[in-house]
This record gives sequence, C-alpha cells and structure tokens, in this order.
Amino acid sequence: DSGVTQTPKHLITATGQRVTLRCSPRSGDLSVYWYQQSLDQGLQFLIQYYNGEERAKGNILERFSAQQFPDLHSELNLSSLELGDSALYFCASSPSAGVGTDTQYFGPGTRLTVL
Amino acid sequence: GENVEQHPSTLSVQEGDSAVIKCTYSDSASNYFPWYKQELGKRPQLIIDIRSNVGEKKDQRIAVTLNKTAKHFSLHITETQPEDSAVYFCAAKSGTYKYIFGTGTRLKVLA
Repeated sequence: DSGVTQTPKHLITATGQRVTLRCSPRSGDLSVYWYQQSLDQGLQFLIQYYNGEERAKGNILERFSAQQFPDLHSELNLSSLELGDSALYFCASSPSAGVGTDTQYFGPGTRLTVL
Repeated sequence: GENVEQHPSTLSVQEGDSAVIKCTYSDSASNYFPWYKQELGKRPQLIIDIRSNVGEKKDQRIAVTLNKTAKHFSLHITETQPEDSAVYFCAAKSGTYKYIFGTGTRLKVLA
C-alpha cells in the first residue's frame, strides 16, 4: 500500500456525461500528479498540482480539468465523455514541488468505462 | 519535446536467466530515473531509482545503470522468477516538474 488513495475504484458512465475522480495523497506529500493509462498503453501525464497550485501540464484535454484543495486532496473532472476516455486514471503523490529528485508513489487507480 | 524510448516492448526469458530493459531519454537536464513494475490492473510500484550523480545502483536481484553521456539507462534483473512477470516502465524527470514515462516492457518469465 503506497498511502495514496483514490475513489471510486470503478466508474461506468455514458458518453456525454461528466465524472469526478478523487485522490488523497500520502500524508505529508504536497504534490499530486494525474496520469491516464489506456488499455495496454503507457502512462500519459495529464497534470500536476503542488500545494494547491497547478505546476505542470501534459497532454490534458480541454474537456478535463483538475484542482487541489486546501486539505491537499485533488479531483480530476472529466466532461463530455467519449468512448476513447475509457482508461485507468492514476494519481501519484510526492513530498515536494518535484523540482528535485522526488519519488512518486501511485494510488490504486480508477477504472473509467464510458459506454 | 521531452521523450523517453524504451526497448524491447516485450521480453521473454527462461526462469533463472537475466533480463535487461533499456531506455533512452532526450532531455539532457534529466536528473532522476525511476523504474516501475506494474502487474495487470494494479498500480505502478517503484522498484528502483537512480539519480544523475550515480552511475549504478543495486538492490538484491535488481540493478540500474545510467550513462549520462549517452543519455540512456538500463534495468537489469538477475535470476528471474515467474513473479517478475509484469510490465516495467522507465521514467525520466527533468528540471521541469513532469515525469516522462517510457512505453513499457512486458516481461514474461517462463517456468
């Protein structure tokens, strides 16, 4: 167990809908990263937050947004869902802003299925 | 932009043999290189990492080597066991905030 928690574990929804994925980082970690992993694919970096502020953006679609709250948990919002958004969504956390050699620890993931 | 190439995409070895996975990165400012093991449907788990001021690091049957001049790093697993079967990802972190992951290597250890 990495100490990073994600809810829900599974999510099934329809095209056009909106969902929210939640992540709680390890105790003391200030950075949260979101990744998308499609079937048999690698990890695509979406976005990073540090202590409530957005720090880095990857291949995140405009239909997707995220935020990190004062208690450091983070939410990833996915809207106008398409079939291709079906994937495993992982959250990871690390202690600092990530400028140095920060180790990331991954949560168990949320499996999103769009029908 | 930054890129990490990982080879091979699949690797089959006999139990007890060694396995080597190689990654090449593009950003010369990269300073941290973790390796993750991911079993089917599970989270990626950190198995070993190396920082840019070190050339080699070993942890029991697992070792990682880094060649900063050539911008490549490798994972070595010795005396492989069936439970080593998984997908392995390399990653490189540069002076920016994001990690760039390789495309993964599916390792099968044949009993």
